[in-house]
Amino acid sequence: DGGITQSPKYLFRKEGQNVTLSCEQNLNHDAMYWYRQDPGQGLRLIYYSQIVNDFQKGDIAEGYSVSREKKESFPLTVTSAQKNPTAFYLCASSERDNQPQHFGDGTRLSIL
Amino acid sequence: RKEVEQDPGPFNVPEGATVAFNCTYSNSASQSFFWYRQDCRKEPKLLMSVYSSGNEDGRFTAQLNRASQYISLLIRDSKLSDSATYLCVVKNTGGFKTIFGAGTRLFVKA
Repeated sequence: DGGITQSPKYLFRKEGQNVTLSCEQNLNHDAMYWYRQDPGQGLRLIYYSQIVNDFQKGDIAEGYSVSREKKESFPLTVTSAQKNPTAFYLCASSERDNQPQHFGDGTRLSIL
Repeated sequence: RKEVEQDPGPFNVPEGATVAFNCTYSNSASQSFFWYRQDCRKEPKLLMSVYSSGNEDGRFTAQLNRASQYISLLIRDSKLSDSATYLCVVKNTGGFKTIFGAGTRLFVKA
């Protein structure tokens, strides 16, 4: 089945630790995105990538980093510089810029 | 002013009711419009795209009014399973930027 796979479902971060969230898609979509959702709030864009080896900062990129070495993969690293990382992280992809995005089932990150 | 604003919720309606949500957007150059639903602690799922001429999918009808810069979603014959948060989504021209509204919560009660 085609889709977007995020892992892990739940992740706990210690102080000063970097953690990486995985996102893989087999939809052959060019564009991929990372969002953060806090309780009771809307989605906020962290980073997006239109093509391999290229990505742009979204509205809240500070404390995060990404890479896009392969079309199907767009991992997100939450660095120790992100002081409030507890949130629901959603990865999405879309075929072209005017097409809707499709989401993975998310990763919940908490601080230990 | 937020780029995308939605009706404040929650909406509490009985089964079988008709309910409508509105969403306004600020960028007149916005190009694509969508409605998503999000269940509690789950990912958003595409409900329907919104076309200029309006479109219908079963009990759901979406409309776009470019002159007034709003989109709407009408749900007829509400089911218990329609209880969710409905997100209005706008894509602007010239890029991949997508703006999500904060969502409107719907509770359908027996």
